Amino acid sequence: GAVVSQHPSWVICKSGTSVKIECRSLDFQATTMFWYRQFPKQSLMLMATSNEGSKATYEQGVEKDKFLINHASLTLSTLTVTSAHPEDSSFYICSARVGAGGANEQYFGPGTRLTVT
Amino acid sequence: GEDVEQSLFLSVREGDSSVINCTYTDSSSTYLYWYKQEPGAGLQLLTYIFSNMDMKQDQRLTVLLNKKDKHLSLRIADTQTGDSAIYFCAAPRGFKTIFGAGTRLFVKA
Repeated sequence: GAVVSQHPSWVICKSGTSVKIECRSLDFQATTMFWYRQFPKQSLMLMATSNEGSKATYEQGVEKDKFLINHASLTLSTLTVTSAHPEDSSFYICSARVGAGGANEQYFGPGTRLTVT
Repeated sequence: GEDVEQSLFLSVREGDSSVINCTYTDSSSTYLYWYKQEPGAGLQLLTYIFSNMDMKQDQRLTVLLNKKDKHLSLRIADTQTGDSAIYFCAAPRGFKTIFGAGTRLFVKA
């Protein structure tokens, strides 16, 4: 149980285009989903927290107009990188929180590697 | 300083035990987590420990928690080449989770 999928697993796009990444909780409902960015050999950097049906909360320094997050349902959140540039190339990982109490463990998707040329 | 700190690299021989250490700053953390990340993949929750516990064992994994020193460790017994990965220590902060930089475990055959 507690499986999170991401699509696509990798994407190459041209500079100036937009890319949408989907994150789905397959066998549970996730009231909260998180989007992270990971640079090579570095830890995860939290970009934003999204709750179903409400606007995402972005971390300081993350441009909300560039990284659009939509949490349309309890099983789906999307991250759209708008007008992508080479510096947006990174590994993007989503996670979903199981429940609001207890251990609050997060379950992670397999990640999406974005390369902007 | 960082909320969660880890050493960045550990190399062990196959069959030996691996010990990955972590320190954290927030004494109110109710749970502490260990995640594993294999190359090109997302994070896999390995185990977690409640803050009122000193130790938790799960097959080859043993988690030790020293709450006084805010020190957490993960011991992997009989380390295998398949254990080669990055291991992240993590602590909750409100609704967020703060991750350490990750310890890269390299297992020599």
